[in-house]
Amino acid sequence: AQTVTQSQPEMSVQEAETVTLSCTYDTSESDYYLFWYKQPPSRQMILVIRQEAYKQQNATENRFSVNFQKAAKSFSLKISDSQLGDAAMYFCAYRSAVGNQFYFGTGTSLTVIP
Amino acid sequence: EPEVTQTPSHQVTQMGQEVILRCVPISNHLYFYWYRQILGQKVEFLVSFYNNEISEKSEIFDDQFSVERPDGSNFTLKIRSTKLEDSAMYFCASSEWGGGAIFFGPGTRLTVL
Repeated sequence: AQTVTQSQPEMSVQEAETVTLSCTYDTSESDYYLFWYKQPPSRQMILVIRQEAYKQQNATENRFSVNFQKAAKSFSLKISDSQLGDAAMYFCAYRSAVGNQFYFGTGTSLTVIP
Repeated sequence: EPEVTQTPSHQVTQMGQEVILRCVPISNHLYFYWYRQILGQKVEFLVSFYNNEISEKSEIFDDQFSVERPDGSNFTLKIRSTKLEDSAMYFCASSEWGGGAIFFGPGTRLTVL
């Protein structure tokens, strides 16, 4: 089974600053999808951003962008101009192109300091 | 914006009892999922469902679990005889196609006493 590793259990950032959350994954597949999900205290899982492995261009969604390094199997999330509402647990997830199962990392708890 | 809905938001049950968790996926989505998250742990895959049958399931999804799509809108997860370790947040999710992002419901917090 694929594994997803988030090596930072906790991160903090000053409001309006930029923070990068790390994610690495292990797979032998060449085609797959990667995602970042946000889980605020309400525990709802909210899709933040998605990247297809066959695309070289890094995905961007407003203040959120990724640095996808396929050879290194790395998929980091950059949050620019951090806001108080960004405080949440962030999960990196992997999905094979052929299977239906998502594999999640253990999460990074992000604190935004006013 | 369409969303996945789940009921109830919180279910408390006695060990050994049966529970049914209900979900209404996004209407034009074809793939449905159940995930669970034990408090403080990562989200774990239980089962995926497509074309009225299970397409994939994890080791967690043993004979105590079953899923059903009883009509055109609902998707249910049944736990036949609950155990203490079944206490978790259960998330329903759906996706439009096999490679698409999955959209989660708000979750049902199951507490087994």
